[in-house]
Amino acid sequence: QVQLVQSGAEVKKPGASVKVSCKASGYTFIGYYMHWVRQAPGQGLEWMGWINPNSGATNYAQKFQGRVTMTRDTSISTTYMELSRLRSDDTAVYYCAREEEEVGDTYDIWGQGTMVTVSS
Amino acid sequence: SSELTQDPAVSVALGQTVRITCQGDSLRSYYASWYQQKPGQAPVLVMFGKNKWPSGIPDRFSGSSSGNTAALTITGAQAEDEADYYCHSRDSSGDHLVFGGGTKLTVL
Repeated sequence: QVQLVQSGAEVKKPGASVKVSCKASGYTFIGYYMHWVRQAPGQGLEWMGWINPNSGATNYAQKFQGRVTMTRDTSISTTYMELSRLRSDDTAVYYCAREEEEVGDTYDIWGQGTMVTVSS
Repeated sequence: SSELTQDPAVSVALGQTVRITCQGDSLRSYYASWYQQKPGQAPVLVMFGKNKWPSGIPDRFSGSSSGNTAALTITGAQAEDEADYYCHSRDSSGDHLVFGGGTKLTVL
């Protein structure tokens, strides 16, 4: 079945970087944009950006410009989100989400989420 | 603050109808999608485009849009509909995407 499986929880120190992976299965990987969304504890959803797995093109939210890098490895149907210069307020669950193809700007499949904790 | 504004909390009696709204200038030009999120779970798409349901979503969920406001209506709310609901669309520039702040729905 169509699914996105993310890497496991991470604990990082302030100033470090984290790289979260999202492995797709059950569909044509390069046919669908992948977005990343995060959710701080007790807070709402926050859009971080997208990557086109076919071309590698990216579009990042202004807030994360310069700190986030989204990449992909088509040979293993996996996208990555790397966030650098981590701060305590980056503590959140990070989700990858597949963009639905009919209408766009809509996420029909989500990963299970990866908890990233930033603490000294 | 988000460019899409939602009421923080709404309640509805079991079996009654509730409307959850989302306001933003970008909604004059772009559709909103709606996500349901229960505690400890990933969000689930419940409505998108011009009143489209993903498969598996009951037809008691419906969507509408007028001017700068999009709405998700649940007709005959059930206990299992108690969750946080987020709207999602483009920002005012049209270049990026944004979520509303979320609405916590309580079914009484």
